[in-house]
Amino acid sequence: EIVMTQTPLSLSVTPGQPASISCKSSQSLLDYNGETHLYWYLQKPGQPPQLLIYEVSNRFSGVPERFSGSGSGTDFTLKISRVEAEDVGLYYCMQNVELPPRITFGQGTRLEIK
Amino acid sequence: QVQLVQSADEVKTSGASVKVSCKASGAKHGFSWVRQAPGQGLEWMGWITPYNGNTNIAKKFQGRVTMTTEASTGTAYMELRNLRSDDTAVYYCARVREDSSGYYRYFDYWGQGTLVTVSS
Repeated sequence: EIVMTQTPLSLSVTPGQPASISCKSSQSLLDYNGETHLYWYLQKPGQPPQLLIYEVSNRFSGVPERFSGSGSGTDFTLKISRVEAEDVGLYYCMQNVELPPRITFGQGTRLEIK
Repeated sequence: QVQLVQSADEVKTSGASVKVSCKASGAKHGFSWVRQAPGQGLEWMGWITPYNGNTNIAKKFQGRVTMTTEASTGTAYMELRNLRSDDTAVYYCARVREDSSGYYRYFDYWGQGTLVTVSS
């Protein structure tokens, strides 16, 4: 099983300041086709998760431009350029590189506003 | 607007079974199930292809989980048998998206969640 490790597990950010979350996988997430299967989700309080980023760096429909994803191989980062109050919640990275699938999530990173 | 609407919360006793439904609007896509125990992270359970009913069930749940779909109504079902107290969780369905090669890879829209409480 691929283990996903997120850091930090929590962060407190002043509105308007940037935030960064790291996600490291125990194996490369690059597949035979040259695609990298790393995804980011945000779970706001009391809500289901919502997709932010797919395949490392592609923002999902409706996701604000302040969210960006980067990385390769086993090291990935989610950045928020200027945090807003509505960004509070739990951020999860997820991998799905194996066939047949053995999907795993990171432990989650809690973002709160100072 | 894609919507996935799940069935109501359930309370079950140990050893019983629960069947959760998820009705989706829009075009046919695969359905996946992910659960979240209280205060815990996300755990993938498996997915089902609506066209042929093929499933991929996570090893942990093989033998206890059945996933089905009902094409006429666009509804997916997840049945979990022999419930234990550590099965208490919110169960989410999610729509599955493919990569450029057509393999199921990630989830773009999620249902509101169904809380299943297992008491002894």
